[in-house]
Amino acid sequence: NAGVTQTPKFQVLKTGQSMTLQCAQDMNHNSMYWYRQDPGMGLRLIYYSASEGTTDKGEVPNGYNVSRLNKREFSLRLESAAPSQTSVYFCASSIDANTEAFFGQGTRLTVV
Amino acid sequence: GDSVTQMEGPVTLSEEAFLTINCTYTATGYPSLFWYVQYPGEGLQLLLKATKADDKGSNKGFEATYRKETTSFHLEKGSVQVSDSAVYFCALRQLTGGFKTIFGAGTRLFVKA
Repeated sequence: NAGVTQTPKFQVLKTGQSMTLQCAQDMNHNSMYWYRQDPGMGLRLIYYSASEGTTDKGEVPNGYNVSRLNKREFSLRLESAAPSQTSVYFCASSIDANTEAFFGQGTRLTVV
Repeated sequence: GDSVTQMEGPVTLSEEAFLTINCTYTATGYPSLFWYVQYPGEGLQLLLKATKADDKGSNKGFEATYRKETTSFHLEKGSVQVSDSAVYFCALRQLTGGFKTIFGAGTRLFVKA
């Protein structure tokens, strides 16, 4: 019953450092997503992957890159972290584009 | 563009009180509508959904009806419990170009014993 697993759960970075957020799902879902959650703004889509081998930009892609490593795994990379990227990041997956998403527990990232 | 507007929180209620969280949307066509719940320290969980006008979604005592004429999808529960304390998000997803789920800002609910 793992569902969507994100690592790490918490991270503090200095401005300019890089890191990769990991996400894996065990539900055999085709589509995967990365969102960021900021106070008063709900969730905003950063990148998504409709299926293995494809990735596309969402609403707020600047400063991020993604890799769909295989059907299970979808990673999010910050090449040069900025304080504006302080947020809670959620990975999600769905069977396809038209079904509801299942979310991981989130990664709280602070950039100082 | 498409958008979702929720009532601002926090909403504070006593146990067994009636709950309404208002949600209205702006969208072309006929999107699917969702309510997600986020408990402290956890990710979002789907609470209920409706895919066409006049559909009523329900789960765990919560209900919401898809009202196209008023572009609304208000969340209701007849008798809240302390365990319902959480943040509630209204969301829509278009059936075309459907990778983008639009979320409202969220409404925090506190239920006092």
